[in-house]
Amino acid sequence: GIQVEQSPPDLILQEGANSTLRCNFSDSVNNLQWFHQNPWGQLINLFYIPSGTKQNGRLSATTVATERYSLLYISSSQTTDSGVYFCAVSGSARQLTFGSGTQLTVLP
Amino acid sequence: DGGITQSPKYLFRKEGQNVTLSCEQNLNHDAMYWYRQDPGQGLRLIYYSQIVNDFQKGDIAEGYSVSREKKESFPLTVTSAQKNPTAFYLCASTLVAAGNTEAFFGQGTRLTVV
Repeated sequence: GIQVEQSPPDLILQEGANSTLRCNFSDSVNNLQWFHQNPWGQLINLFYIPSGTKQNGRLSATTVATERYSLLYISSSQTTDSGVYFCAVSGSARQLTFGSGTQLTVLP
Repeated sequence: DGGITQSPKYLFRKEGQNVTLSCEQNLNHDAMYWYRQDPGQGLRLIYYSQIVNDFQKGDIAEGYSVSREKKESFPLTVTSAQKNPTAFYLCASTLVAAGNTEAFFGQGTRLTVV
């Protein structure tokens, strides 16, 4: 199956800083999603982005499918951005394969 | 309000007992999935179903069973054969038709074996 690697595993920032999270995957994909897992465990959909670039407020994402990676950018980080960020992909099969996540901590 | 509802939020089970987790969706999605998450780790696929009355094993199906009698519902039973059932369980759904296959998740059920 498809392998998904996320980096860095942990990231600590001061409020207001910018950050870039990376997701590498081992095969061509039909779906790539970024999620934020909140302290209660719920997965919040951030982006559905199998290719191209999208922006939503302070967050943006870019997927370069031909080079098998995706980047999630967080600008002007806030303490509420803290949590775990997951990248998940699927190929010809519909089921998602998840990376191990990036634990983001934003300090006030 | 369209979405995926999982119940209960918290569940306690004695060793040796079977327990069933509920997942219902009103998004008219064809496919439904069950994932397990252990502390500090990503999600792993237990079972999935792309159509009513049909389902397939995921990566960690041993000790679990499912049914798909209705499009809206995909209950997961954690059996006594599951050696380490304490975990966070998440249900998801997607469309199957070509095009947007974005997955949406329920709020999860935390299962603790006591």
